[in-house]
Amino acid sequence: QSVLTQPPSVSGAPGQRVTISCSGSSSNIGAGYDVHWYQQLPGTAPKLLLYANYHRPSGVPDRISGSKSGTSASLAITGLQAEDEAVYYCQSYDRSLSGHVFGTGTKVTVL
Amino acid sequence: EVQLVESGGGLVKPGGSLRLSCAASGFTFSPHNLNWVRQAPGKGLEWVASISSTTSYIYYADSVKGRFTISRDNAENSLYLQMNSLRAEDTAVYYCASHPPSYDLLTGFYWLWGQGTLVTVSS
Repeated sequence: QSVLTQPPSVSGAPGQRVTISCSGSSSNIGAGYDVHWYQQLPGTAPKLLLYANYHRPSGVPDRISGSKSGTSASLAITGLQAEDEAVYYCQSYDRSLSGHVFGTGTKVTVL
Repeated sequence: EVQLVESGGGLVKPGGSLRLSCAASGFTFSPHNLNWVRQAPGKGLEWVASISSTTSYIYYADSVKGRFTISRDNAENSLYLQMNSLRAEDTAVYYCASHPPSYDLLTGFYWLWGQGTLVTVSS
């Protein structure tokens, strides 16, 4: 079972801003471990969206941003577009489990 | 083109075994720490196992420990996952995923993903 909790779904109209939260604990995000984010389009493999809390890989637009505070992290998408419809996952390291952990996933719907 | 390509998935009976392979191309394989991640049908992502670039460090999720074995062959640019004593709950798409070169095995991120291979455990 996932140890990082995300809202099951968020939605917004084109052009709007949506945020996705990722809630952890003192053994993962709260212990200072970085949070990374992935986007999974329907029927495809996940793709790296943000790494080390807020860094964007080459090719990811700057309307995608991330932050981390305490035991939580968040992903923001501004200027929402139809192509942003996907499931988004956060990921970190958990020292109690001695392994990588993923969030529960959030489906973004563009209205 | 930089890519990872998995193979070896299929239908297997409970208690059976399967060996997955992941072939890398388009980049220098050996400096990368590698991982297997799975996704059950309609479910989220689950980390399975990780192996360091020199095979000195190997880690498993509790759900597969003692049943699965991760290995790699840097000369062949390949990653493997030997799966024994398979259970219905192991049914999933299995992805191989690479860290960036020389990035920490435990705290790193999945820079490159394969397309996945489906493993179905059913009688």
